[in-house]
Amino acid sequence: AQKVTQAQTEISVVEKEDVTLDCVYETRDTTYYLFWYKQPPSGELVFLIRRNSFDEQNEISGRYSWNFQKSTSSFNFTITASQVVDSAVYFCALLFSGAGSYQLTFGKGTKLSVIP
Amino acid sequence: DAGVIQSPRHEVTEMGQEVTLRCKPISGHDYLFWYRQTMMRGLELLIYFNNNVPIDDSGMPEDRFSAKMPNASFSTLKIQPSEPRDSAVYFCASSSRGSTEAFFGQGTRLTVV
Repeated sequence: AQKVTQAQTEISVVEKEDVTLDCVYETRDTTYYLFWYKQPPSGELVFLIRRNSFDEQNEISGRYSWNFQKSTSSFNFTITASQVVDSAVYFCALLFSGAGSYQLTFGKGTKLSVIP
Repeated sequence: DAGVIQSPRHEVTEMGQEVTLRCKPISGHDYLFWYRQTMMRGLELLIYFNNNVPIDDSGMPEDRFSAKMPNASFSTLKIQPSEPRDSAVYFCASSSRGSTEAFFGQGTRLTVV
């Protein structure tokens, strides 16, 4: 069975602080994909990043960076110099594609509040 | 591309009534997913289709829920009869195996009173 755990339910930071959102996953599959989605107050789900299980290179995109470590089954997300517009719920997700199955499993989400 | 389109955006209905949610996936995508989001349970996969065929409906809560995909460009999720505990945001998403990314619609906020 696949499982995604986001242990932080809510986080509050002051603007310009750095913040890391944790994601731990469980899967017995060797080929899988990990995602982060952002859900702003308006409600839509916005895709942020996808990593496959064979690519452990960390990635940086502007103020966003992602740390993928297979050894600890973690895929953490860091926002540098946070801004009020970063306030949202962030979801980590795990995709297994194979053996006739194609399933995207989400964590419960972390609500980030950035205080001006 | 207009993205995944869901309708209606908001639906308020009385308990016992039939509710139909609609989804138009991105053209060319061969996977379609229905998710339900609640505060208590987060984002749950209800059912997904591949090439219009239901593959896994194990997440459908009970027989009151049914989903169809009559063609590649349209899917419905029906609840009959609706109950207050069905109140949630329902998301539709589409994907293709080659992209391994699911694109979500804006969701339908359902309130059953």
